Amino acid sequence: GDSVTQMEGPVTLSEEAFLTINCTYTATGYPSLFWYVQYPGEGLQLLLKATKADDKGSNKGFEATYRKETTSFHLEKGSVQVSDSAVYFCASPAQGGATNKLIFGTGTLLAVQP
Amino acid sequence: GAGVSQSPRYKVAKRGQDVALRCDPISGHVSLFWYQQALGQGPEFLTYFQNEAQLDKSGLPSDRFFAERPEGSVSTLKIQRTQQEDSAVYLCASSLAKTSGRAVANNEQFFGPGTRLTVL
Repeated sequence: GDSVTQMEGPVTLSEEAFLTINCTYTATGYPSLFWYVQYPGEGLQLLLKATKADDKGSNKGFEATYRKETTSFHLEKGSVQVSDSAVYFCASPAQGGATNKLIFGTGTLLAVQP
Repeated sequence: GAGVSQSPRYKVAKRGQDVALRCDPISGHVSLFWYQQALGQGPEFLTYFQNEAQLDKSGLPSDRFFAERPEGSVSTLKIQRTQQEDSAVYLCASSLAKTSGRAVANNEQFFGPGTRLTVL
């Protein structure tokens, strides 16, 4: 069945370091792919998305490219800030059926130290 | 405008008690989803409404879980005879568009802050 796998955390980085959080998916076809972020004490927010293969989603300095060859959607940021500390979730809609329910990875906690 | 709101934000229940969790979606949003997020895990789908119709309840873990959206707006997730394994954050999300036989993969889901349920 459909699934999303992302690297386990926590990931601890110093401010201005480069960030990569890996995400791979298993699905029939080429679903849309999403990265959600959950800041402490807040709800999930959509960070970025890509709707088809080779698309690049970007927002707030974060980027992710939909690569169908490797079924991946890795999240990257060139220079992290303390305010980026949060839990990041990769997600994809379940294929088939009549709903748009999301399948999430387990989440990756990012802690950025000053 | 207002986002998705949920109440209560925190709920402590004794094992065996019934609980009711409320979700107020964004006004005009047709689709409404409930997810369960266990500690250290990603959210997992529970159930989906399109307006007042519950089109998918495949994720509800047992018949103790019941959800409704009688007027196509506010939704309530009810858990009867709570057990310790029900302890989790319950997330509600709404989306503007509806699905019609073929999943619409591009519609953003807006999430509420969640209700953290602790069953003692």
